[in-house]
Amino acid sequence: NAGVTQTPKFRVLKTGQSMTLLCAQDMNHEYMYWYRQDPGMGLRLIHYSVGEGTTAKGEVPDGYNVSRLKKQNFLLGLESAAPSQTSVYFCASSSHRDRDGYTFGSGTRLTVV
Amino acid sequence: AQKITQTQPGMFVQEKEAVTLDCTYDTSDPSYGLFWYKQPSSGEMIFLIYQGSYDQQNATEGRYSLNFQKARKSANLVISASQLGDSAMYFCAMREGPGSARQLTFGSGTQLTVLP
Repeated sequence: NAGVTQTPKFRVLKTGQSMTLLCAQDMNHEYMYWYRQDPGMGLRLIHYSVGEGTTAKGEVPDGYNVSRLKKQNFLLGLESAAPSQTSVYFCASSSHRDRDGYTFGSGTRLTVV
Repeated sequence: AQKITQTQPGMFVQEKEAVTLDCTYDTSDPSYGLFWYKQPSSGEMIFLIYQGSYDQQNATEGRYSLNFQKARKSANLVISASQLGDSAMYFCAMREGPGSARQLTFGSGTQLTVLP
């Protein structure tokens, strides 16, 4: 099925460990985003990309890095995980057409202990 | 200031009745888009409906309609004939401006429970 695929779906990290979350989309979308969702706070934008090779900071970028070397992939990295990064992470992609909506992946539940 | 405000943390509705979920927004940009998403307990984000700031008519998609009051900066979601499967978290979101970034800003959500 066409859409946005996130891996892994679940992960437990120890404080200080690093990891990379992978997002892949097969809709040829220009725009890709990483959000985090915490209880009672909705979704907050971490980083985004408006095209291959470009990235920019969102609302809560500290402690994260991203890369978009290929148009279909958007990677989110945690260099030194902290308990405050325990959250559910969503990747999304969009085209220029608002009416199609933004397509979200199924999420990654990350726990940092 | 909050860009998207959802003032109802939780709502209950009887099956087969209609329910309105409130959303107000704040922007000075004349060009923007408003979205509603449904998040069931399984966690995925499901796109429901879209309203553009220049759209003359309120958006409708099946049982979902958007009550768009531009002067009041509100974009309430109306679900008609509620079903048990409508029980979920609902998020209102906004995309500001025609610029290149196009990121969505979300409200804090409303948890809807449909009662049998």
